[in-house]
Amino acid sequence: GENVEQHPSTLSVQEGDSAVIKCTYSDSASNYFPWYKQELGKRPQLIIDIRSNVGEKKDQRIAVTLNKTAKHFSLHITETQPEDSAVYFCAAPSFSGGYNKLIFGAGTRLAVHP
Amino acid sequence: DTGVSQDPRHKITKRGQNVTFRCDPISEHNRLYWYRQTLGQGPEFLTYFQNEAQLEKSRLLSDRFSAERPKGSFSTLEIQRTEQGDSAMYLCASSQGESFTEKLFFGSGTQLSVL
Repeated sequence: GENVEQHPSTLSVQEGDSAVIKCTYSDSASNYFPWYKQELGKRPQLIIDIRSNVGEKKDQRIAVTLNKTAKHFSLHITETQPEDSAVYFCAAPSFSGGYNKLIFGAGTRLAVHP
Repeated sequence: DTGVSQDPRHKITKRGQNVTFRCDPISEHNRLYWYRQTLGQGPEFLTYFQNEAQLEKSRLLSDRFSAERPKGSFSTLEIQRTEQGDSAMYLCASSQGESFTEKLFFGSGTQLSVL
């Protein structure tokens, strides 16, 4: 089936700590894995993405890792700051049955406490 | 503002009424997506267009929903005979490319409340 599962649903950390959010996908043909950040009352915005030909990608305090064998990918935020507080969504394309679409996870609400 | 714009921002309607939303994508983008988002959930795929062609429509989508993108520019999403379960944020997004490996640019959404 077509599914993207995301864990945890909520995550609370102290400022300066690291945060990790994990997603699993079901379609083995998926080849692109973006992460979107949605602040309260605002539109989702892409923060980082990874393609299936690499295992890790970093952008300052944010990194994404991909394990294609296990069909999971993770978002890592280091040295968290209060402005990192938001809902984070992972996504993966699904091509099963010739029916193509980009599927989003249910989201992780991250709270960074000063 | 050269981003994705959606109109209206909010819509309150009575059950059974028809509603229509509009999305204006970034001008050079060939792909346009409609998603629905309810509180505490991720965006749920509804349909997408490549230029003026509607390439996919969610199998979970009721026949009461229809979308158009005439001339491959703006798009409209119509919901006929609205139900309370249709209450949600309707998000539009656009991208430039031929696959699902491009960055999506989202609009601010239309919040629909069906009374």
